[in-house]
Amino acid sequence: DVKVTQSSRYLVKRTGEKVFLECVQDMDHENMFWYRQDPGLGLRLIYFSYDVKMKEKGDIPEGYSVSREKKERFSLILESASTNQTSMYLCASTLLLSTDTQYFGPGTRLTVL
Amino acid sequence: AQTVTQSQPEMSVQEAETVTLSCTYDTSENNYYLFWYKQPPSRQMILVIRQEAYKQQNATENRFSVNFQKAAKSFSLKISDSQLGDTAMYFCAFMNPGKLIFGTGTLLAVQP
Repeated sequence: DVKVTQSSRYLVKRTGEKVFLECVQDMDHENMFWYRQDPGLGLRLIYFSYDVKMKEKGDIPEGYSVSREKKERFSLILESASTNQTSMYLCASTLLLSTDTQYFGPGTRLTVL
Repeated sequence: AQTVTQSQPEMSVQEAETVTLSCTYDTSENNYYLFWYKQPPSRQMILVIRQEAYKQQNATENRFSVNFQKAAKSFSLKISDSQLGDTAMYFCAFMNPGKLIFGTGTLLAVQP
């Protein structure tokens, strides 16, 4: 079974802090994703990565950056957290970008005060 | 732009009954993939079922089946013999090569 883990289930940060959200997958998947989930908006893609050190912007990249130094690990970085970044963040991975099922982590609920 | 619409924000069904969740999408592509994902309360999002657009036969996974109408761009999910464990948020998603486009979700409550 594919396992996708995220470093924290719940996180509380203050406005202006730098925030790191970590995601690790154990199935040697090439592709990894970061989504943001908000009520009434579904899931929206922030960034994805198709290889180590490679990244592509999704639909809402503003205020975020990512890092992929190792194949199994994909980090989401909030350079200066703001209250409008309070949300649920989901990481996912997949083997084939065009056709495959994406496997999700448990999510990190981030609150920015 | 490709979009996915779930017009039912919330639904309720009695245990053991059948319920259908609606999903429509908009695309000019001919070959694509469609998914239903389930997110139980405070638990991980998991795949329920997937459909390849080039297949005419509707996908089925145990109590879950889809009604895929390609011309109408409709992809509904039918849950038969509903169980309490089916209580969850259900997301319909369309695979645009490179990313999934999600609907806004339907919160399904199965009542005992």
